[in-house]
Amino acid sequence: GQQVMQIPQYQHVQEGEDFTTYCNSSTTLSNIQWYKQRPGGHPVFLIQLVKSGEVKKQKRLTFQFGEAKKNSSLHITATQTTDVGTYFCAALPISNFGNEKLTFGTGTRLTIIP
Amino acid sequence: DGGITQSPKYLFRKEGQNVTLSCEQNLNHDAMYWYRQDPGQGLRLIYYSQIVNDFQKGDIAEGYSVSREKKESFPLTVTSAQKNPTAFYLCASSESENTEAFFGQGTRLTVV
Repeated sequence: GQQVMQIPQYQHVQEGEDFTTYCNSSTTLSNIQWYKQRPGGHPVFLIQLVKSGEVKKQKRLTFQFGEAKKNSSLHITATQTTDVGTYFCAALPISNFGNEKLTFGTGTRLTIIP
Repeated sequence: DGGITQSPKYLFRKEGQNVTLSCEQNLNHDAMYWYRQDPGQGLRLIYYSQIVNDFQKGDIAEGYSVSREKKESFPLTVTSAQKNPTAFYLCASSESENTEAFFGQGTRLTVV
């Protein structure tokens, strides 16, 4: 079955430093979604990428979808304490049968050192 | 207020007892999902339903059962056959697999 790997598993950064998490799929994707889960909370949708090579920005967050539609990245510029949490990618493979389902990555837990 | 509601937030059960977790949504979504999250780990899919009266097993369905008799409700039963049931359970819904998922607040189940 499909495998979705995220690296790193943990990242500790000083406030103000940049942060990047990477998501890699074993299969070609139809789309990829990104979610953020605050400590003690539930995942909240951030964005969806659909097109090969797509880049989307949300304030300090930049999301990229690889040219081959097998990998993606989330980059945060100048981290703030409000960025603390676990970031998950969720990948939907291309399917000819319409029965594929979203698979979540293992997540990257971001902690900020004030 | 539209959204997805899980209850209860915390649940304690004795080993060997079945327990049912509630999940209700008023977003008129066709698809609903149950995930399990263990400390420091990602989300693993237990069951999902794309339409009323139909559901499919996810990656870790053993020891769990679901029903989808109504569009807005997708209860999950953790049976005594589940060998390690203590976990954080998340319910989600979406218009389809291609659209964003909305998550409930989660139920933290502890079996003693």
